[in-house]
Amino acid sequence: QKEVEQNSGPLSVPEGAIASLNCTYSDRGSQSFFWYRQYSGKSPELIMFIYSNGDKEDGRFTAQLNKASQYVSLLIRDSQPSDSATYLCAVNSGTYKYIFGTGTRLKVLA
Amino acid sequence: GAVVSQHPSWVICKSGTSVKIECRSLDFQATTMFWYRQFPKQSLMLMATSNEGSKATYEQGVEKDKFLINHASLTLSTLTVTSAHPEDSSFYICSAIAGVAYNEQFFGPGTRLTVL
Repeated sequence: QKEVEQNSGPLSVPEGAIASLNCTYSDRGSQSFFWYRQYSGKSPELIMFIYSNGDKEDGRFTAQLNKASQYVSLLIRDSQPSDSATYLCAVNSGTYKYIFGTGTRLKVLA
Repeated sequence: GAVVSQHPSWVICKSGTSVKIECRSLDFQATTMFWYRQFPKQSLMLMATSNEGSKATYEQGVEKDKFLINHASLTLSTLTVTSAHPEDSSFYICSAIAGVAYNEQFFGPGTRLTVL
């Protein structure tokens, strides 16, 4: 069974620090990888996606992909209290087939 | 990014009634949309995949006769919860595929259903 795993947290970091969120997946055929942010009571919001090995940066966010290790991560630099949310990792493992992790809850302490 | 809307944002109904939720892609055409359900403090649960012009594909354990999905156009999919009961109370979220190359999925704001 294809799986996406995340540590449920909460991950607590002080304001201004780097938050590191991790995700592993089981399907080696997975092609694209997504990070979503979900605030309590709201729907998920796409932060960024990555499809090739290495790093992809967008503002304070950096996604890292290592297909050999089946590992994708999200780094949030200069974390702010407004970044406190649940972060969902999603993997596209086939035509319109997405598998979501259960999410990591991030708490940024002011 | 692409914009997906949902209507209504919240609804309260009596047990036994039916409720229709609309999902629209506002600035793009979506041949594929998804419907999710999320209970408090739980993860997203995919209910069904909706394809324009064809029958929806339901996930295992989701009753297709209770959750009717109609994807009548490239910008509109509807979910009807028939004969709703209190256990159907949940947060229903739709999403649509907008990306051309990497199939990014964009979510609507969700509909909170409360069945009394």
